[in-house]
Order: sequence, then structure tokens, then C-alpha cells
Amino acid sequence: QKEVEQDPGPLSVPEGAIVSLNCTYSNSAFQYFMWYRQYSRKGPELLMYTYSSGNKEDGRFTAQVDKSSKYISLFIRDSQPSDSATYLCAVEGTYKYIFGTGTRLKVLA
Amino acid sequence: NAGVTQTPKFQVLKTGQSMTLQCAQDMNHEYMSWYRQDPGMGLRLIHYSVGAGITDQGEVPNGYNVSRSTTEDFPLRLLSAAPSQTSVYFCASSYGTGENTEAFFGQGTRLTVV
Repeated sequence: QKEVEQDPGPLSVPEGAIVSLNCTYSNSAFQYFMWYRQYSRKGPELLMYTYSSGNKEDGRFTAQVDKSSKYISLFIRDSQPSDSATYLCAVEGTYKYIFGTGTRLKVLA
Repeated sequence: NAGVTQTPKFQVLKTGQSMTLQCAQDMNHEYMSWYRQDPGMGLRLIHYSVGAGITDQGEVPNGYNVSRSTTEDFPLRLLSAAPSQTSVYFCASSYGTGENTEAFFGQGTRLTVV
């Protein structure tokens, strides 16, 4: 079993839609959870960082962690064509980051 | 501030050739790592380093060597290139681990082995 599982998509939504991206993880010891955004032919960039359970909001983006079910979510409100990218969830292990496969999102104008 | 710089951006190798992918960071980060990214596989950790002189293996280390003689540089060596090593390689660095430590990525090296 992979330590972090993520549906690869692709996911296509119309502009203005609410997008929900999800991951599951296997090790209950993980404490730090991240979402990275990767545009085509670029390196990943940190979007959201969450510690332990709960929600974190930043503008149109909300990251949610449910440690009881080992579930990580990213919500994008009022999605824009510029949000079209691959979104990778990640957890922080000992001295390293463990990534999901990434979900490719396309927001249609 | 350049951040994380990877060279080259593109490379084509013949099977059996060796080469070194360069990675440099100017943020005085202790932690550096190499990932490869393949379709449907996400980012997989090859090797990582927690400081100068200290390296360790990640998930997919076979066929790769690393060393860390300075804080700034973390080169990745392909000993004898194989077509299975065709991938996009990313170098990342971070201040440490724990709360609010962001990993910064380079722009990637696209490697094709023929």
C-alpha cells in the first residue's frame, strides 16, 4: 500500500465551480500535511501547509485534515482558468516529504 | 535570490553513459533532496541529505549516487544510464522539518535515455 494515495484525475470543471481534491494516507504518525501546485513544465510550489487536524483557509483555498479517517482535502472556491495545474498532496515523514501522484485539474473558461 | 537552481534543463543520454545533475541553493537550507517524477507515479524520493556530509537513500535509489560536500550543492550522479531512468528530476531544499518548513523546488531536469 502506498503511504499517500491520490486520484490522478484528470478533473475538468467550469469556471466558478467549487473544486474538491482529496488524498488518503496510511501512517497515523504523520503530523504535517501540504498541498503543492505544479504548472506544466515547472517545479511544484507550496500552496497550503496544515499541522494536525482541522481547517486552514487562504483566500479561495481551504485545506482540511481529518486525522481520524486519514483524509486530506483541498477546496478551491470560485475556480479560475489560472488554477489549471496539477495538485499534489504531501505528508512530512522523517527528514523527507512523501507525495501523492497528483491530480490534474483543468478549469474551463 | 536564485532559490534552487538545477542544471541542465534538458539532457539526452545514450544507454551506459554517466552524467551528473547539478543542484544548488542559496538559502542556507540544511535539507536537500532529489525526486524523480514519472506519469502516474508522482514524485518519488531518490536520495536526501540532512546536512553537509550526510546523505541517505530514499524510495528509488538504485542507479544513482549523491554526495554533499557543501551546504549549497547536492549533485546527483547517474552511474550507467538506463532507459528506465528517463524522467523529470527535481531537486528540493528546505530549512528543516516540522511546522512551517516549506520545500522549495528547482525547475527540473528532463532526462531522456536512448
